[in-house]
Amino acid sequence: SQQGEEDPQALSIQEGENATMNCSYKTSINNLQWYRQNSGRGLVHLILIRSNEREKHSGRLRVTLDTSKKSSSLLITASRAADTASYFCATDYTSGTYKYIFGTGTRLKVLA
Amino acid sequence: EAGVAQSPRYKIIEKRQSVAFWCNPISGHATLYWYQQILGQGPKLLIQFQNNGVVDDSQLPKDRFSAERLKGVDSTLKIQPAKLEDSAVYLCASSLTTTAEQFFGPGTRLTVL
Repeated sequence: SQQGEEDPQALSIQEGENATMNCSYKTSINNLQWYRQNSGRGLVHLILIRSNEREKHSGRLRVTLDTSKKSSSLLITASRAADTASYFCATDYTSGTYKYIFGTGTRLKVLA
Repeated sequence: EAGVAQSPRYKIIEKRQSVAFWCNPISGHATLYWYQQILGQGPKLLIQFQNNGVVDDSQLPKDRFSAERLKGVDSTLKIQPAKLEDSAVYLCASSLTTTAEQFFGPGTRLTVL
């Protein structure tokens, strides 16, 4: 079945640096979502980008979508220790029913 | 606005025992999901409800797992009998529609000994 795969699997950066993580998927999508998971707040929705959108911003987050390459990227600018978490992309999948499938995640560690 | 509630938060059982998890979604959310998340992996969808009807349960091990959503609100997920490989965090989520963002509960961490 279709699934997003995040790259890299793990990323360690210094506070203040930018963090970029990528998601690749296999089949055409209508929407793609990014989620963050940390021990304090659980899984939290960050951004939803539709297939007809190329870029979306939310605060320090910037998401791009390239449907020709079947890939999306999440950029976190000026990272903070509080951004330490796992980040997942979720791609929609329609085959009789409509659902989202989560990728394997990128574990981001921001060092103070 | 109240979030998605789940209970219990932690559960330890022996293999072959039964266990049940409860979820109360955000009021007005028609779609409810149960996910299984094994350590180091992304959430895997077990079952998806639209109101009180099942719309996807293709990855639910139906020989041991069952779920229901009575009156289109609360939901329970049951495992009977449990196996060692069922050790995971079970997440409940809800959304207004199937395409909208999902709101997750804190999860239930299940350990099967």
